[in-house]
Amino acid sequence: DTGVSQDPRHKITKRGQNVTFRCDPISEHNRLYWYRQTLGQGPEFLTYFQNEAQLEKSRLLSDRFSAERPKGSFSTLEIQRTEQGDSAMYLCASSRDSLMNTEAFFGQGTRLTVV
Amino acid sequence: SQQGEEDPQALSIQEGENATMNCSYKTSINNLQWYRQNSGRGLVHLILIRSNEREKHSGRLRVTLDTSKKSSSLLITASRAADTASYFCATPGGKLIFGQGTELSVKP
Repeated sequence: DTGVSQDPRHKITKRGQNVTFRCDPISEHNRLYWYRQTLGQGPEFLTYFQNEAQLEKSRLLSDRFSAERPKGSFSTLEIQRTEQGDSAMYLCASSRDSLMNTEAFFGQGTRLTVV
Repeated sequence: SQQGEEDPQALSIQEGENATMNCSYKTSINNLQWYRQNSGRGLVHLILIRSNEREKHSGRLRVTLDTSKKSSSLLITASRAADTASYFCATPGGKLIFGQGTELSVKP
């Protein structure tokens, strides 16, 4: 399967711990996006990359959150000092080009539960 | 902030009936995209309609776009239980901005 892959699928962590999620986009896609989704809501944009450059970060992305895409391929999203409010589904997506021209492909998400 | 707003928030129909979901947005767009999300899963792209298109079909899906009213609709004809999901419209800039979605339940 050559779709967007996210790891892990589920993560339970204690409040205050750090967590890191990984996203592997479709190989020829140069754009990669991170979203957060809570129950009953639409996905909220967090950040996106074109190749290795982080082009935009949402104001939702506090300084506890950091994302990287070091070689323009896979990306990681780290949350430091997790809080219960961080519990959500974290979705990664990729696109081969600007979304003005094409669609995004989403992974299955990583469900984070902070206890 | 969310650009698109779907209406209704929830819709329950019987198999075989048609389902219509509406989306309103605020700013001018290059295209509008519809996605489906099964419970607890990622989103799947359904259809992209460009600002110079009024209507687009894909299988049992029909999407319309009215840029003068800043609105779009998604029609699913002859619905099936497998169509049960949440449906989102999204408008692109550098990223997609999603509405809160319409939760569709199709009862067998």
